[in-house]
Amino acid sequence: QKEVEQNSGPLSVPEGAIASLNCTYSDRVSQSFFWYRQYSGKSPELIMSIYSNGDKEDGRFTAQLNKASQYVSLLIRDSQPSDSATYLCAVVYSGAGSYQLTFGKGTKLSVIP
Amino acid sequence: DGGITQSPKYLFRKEGQNVTLSCEQNLNHDAMYWYRQDPGQGLRLIYYSQIVNDFQKGDIAEGYSVSREKKESFPLTVTSAQKNPTAFYLCASSIDNGASGNTDTQYFGPGTRLTVL
Repeated sequence: QKEVEQNSGPLSVPEGAIASLNCTYSDRVSQSFFWYRQYSGKSPELIMSIYSNGDKEDGRFTAQLNKASQYVSLLIRDSQPSDSATYLCAVVYSGAGSYQLTFGKGTKLSVIP
Repeated sequence: DGGITQSPKYLFRKEGQNVTLSCEQNLNHDAMYWYRQDPGQGLRLIYYSQIVNDFQKGDIAEGYSVSREKKESFPLTVTSAQKNPTAFYLCASSIDNGASGNTDTQYFGPGTRLTVL
């Protein structure tokens, strides 16, 4: 059973604070992990991809992957009101020669001015 | 200007009607995907295609059909057999399916919102 679990939120943080979003997955052999941001009524846009254990930084965003714990997180530093959105965690599951992306239900983030 | 386009943005369907959602990409991507999103839910995979003239069912293919006659195009038909079609439909593409490396990043079109009247 392919599962990606996220806290639905809402997660509220004050402007300028660090927002921490978490995701767990069920398949130990997963190799590709993604974070997407989705504004209300819009399509998902890619924020980060991560493939190796450890941290990956891109501007104010840091993705963290721990394959042993089957855990991936996204940190947003210096949170801005424009970061208010739903954040989707996605994991590639492989099987029978195909590679499918499975999404969590998303965590809604609200950054309070 | 490269990207993925979907049309129409909004679509209304009467009971018993088939409707087709368009998805076009000019990114030269081999793989294309269709997802459905319901309020408060994650994305669920309907169909995907890894190459022209080939496609596979996803997790919720019943009541839907697709074709992949051209690399750029992957239309989705919502048939009358789909009993609860009201949802936000998202098309995505990736360089390939990632089998050959880290080329499985999916990029999304703007979506089509389908409502059954």
